[in-house]
This record gives sequence, C-alpha cells and structure tokens, in this order.
Amino acid sequence: KNEVEQSPQNLTAQEGEFITINCSYSVGISALHWLQQHPGGGIVSLFMLSSGKKKHGRLIATINIQEKHSSLHITASHPRDSAVYICAVRTQGGSEKLVFGKGTKLTVNP
Amino acid sequence: NAGVTQTPKFRILKIGQSMTLQCTQDMNHNYMYWYRQDPGMGLKLIYYSVGAGITDKGEVPNGYNVSRSTTEDFPLRLELAAPSQTSVYFCASSYNRALNTEAFFGQGTRLTVV
Repeated sequence: KNEVEQSPQNLTAQEGEFITINCSYSVGISALHWLQQHPGGGIVSLFMLSSGKKKHGRLIATINIQEKHSSLHITASHPRDSAVYICAVRTQGGSEKLVFGKGTKLTVNP
Repeated sequence: NAGVTQTPKFRILKIGQSMTLQCTQDMNHNYMYWYRQDPGMGLKLIYYSVGAGITDKGEVPNGYNVSRSTTEDFPLRLELAAPSQTSVYFCASSYNRALNTEAFFGQGTRLTVV
C-alpha cells in the first residue's frame, strides 16, 4: 500500500461544479503539500499546510491530522483548472523525503 | 523572478551516452532536489542538497550523480544512459526544510533513452 493515496484517480466535471480531491496518508507528517501539474508538465505549489484550512481564490485545502486526511476543493470550476493535482507529504523524523501521491487528473468541460 | 530553471526541456539519448541536466535557481534557496516522474507513479527523489558542497542520495540514486558547487546550481549527471532512465525529471528548491517552506519546481526535462 502506498504511503500516500489519492482519490479519485480521474475526475471529469462540468464548468461551475464544486470539486473535491482527497488525499489519505499512513505516516506521521510534518507538512502536506498540494501541487498542480498542467499539461506540458510544469509543477506549481498550491498549498502547504500542517493544520486547519487554507484558501487561495477558488481553491481551499483542509487537513485533519488525527484522521490523516486532506482535501482540496475547487469552487466554481473552470476549464483552466484542468490539470493533475498531486498531494505530497513531508514525513516526520528529520527526513528529506517528500512522499508523493500518484495524482488526480481533473478535466473540466465547458 | 526566474525561479527554478531547467534545461533542456526535451532530450533523446542513445543507450550508453551521457548528459547533464542543468538546474539553477535565483531565490537563494538552500535546499535543492532532483525528482523523476514515471507514468502512473508519484515523483521519486533521486538526489538532494542542503547547501553548497553538500549532497545526499534520495530513493532512486543509481545511475545518477550530482554536484552542488554553488547555491544556485544543482546539475544532474547521467553517465551511461539506460532505457530505465526514460522519464520526466524535475528540479525543485526550497528555502528551509525545517520551516517546511514551499517548494518551487522547474518546468521539467522529458528524457527518452533509446
């Protein structure tokens, strides 16, 4: 079992829909990152969080440390949100290791 | 700011050839990383560096070498390319791991070994 599991693997939505992508992890962490990878490959950091909730425009990220679970929400989705969304955790214990999920491919249709 | 710059964006190598993937950042970050991304898999750490003159192995270091002579540059060297090294490579940097600061990624290098 991977240390970081994302669901769903693929998600297709209509423009305007509310989207949720989930990330569960099985290790102790010091932080969790949400990343966005557009077609063409570049990776952009969206959020880094260790507790609670963060908001950036239409994007909201939450984390529940006790349940080892994080969600990324997109409100009023738009075709330009189409990308792969990647969850990554920094493990505790002084490791340099960022453990990455396999990503969720989101397609938003007009 | 340029951020993290990787070159080249694409490369095709023959088996046994060597090449260097270049990575430079202009944010004065201490920490730099090289990852590879294979289809359907999460990114895997190849090598990382916590500062000039210091490098260490990640999860999948075999077949690669790195150096960190300056804060800005962190090149990744493939000495004898093999088909298993066909992948997309990402360089990343961050200011300080201990503060759990944000990571910045380059645009990626798509390498094919034939």
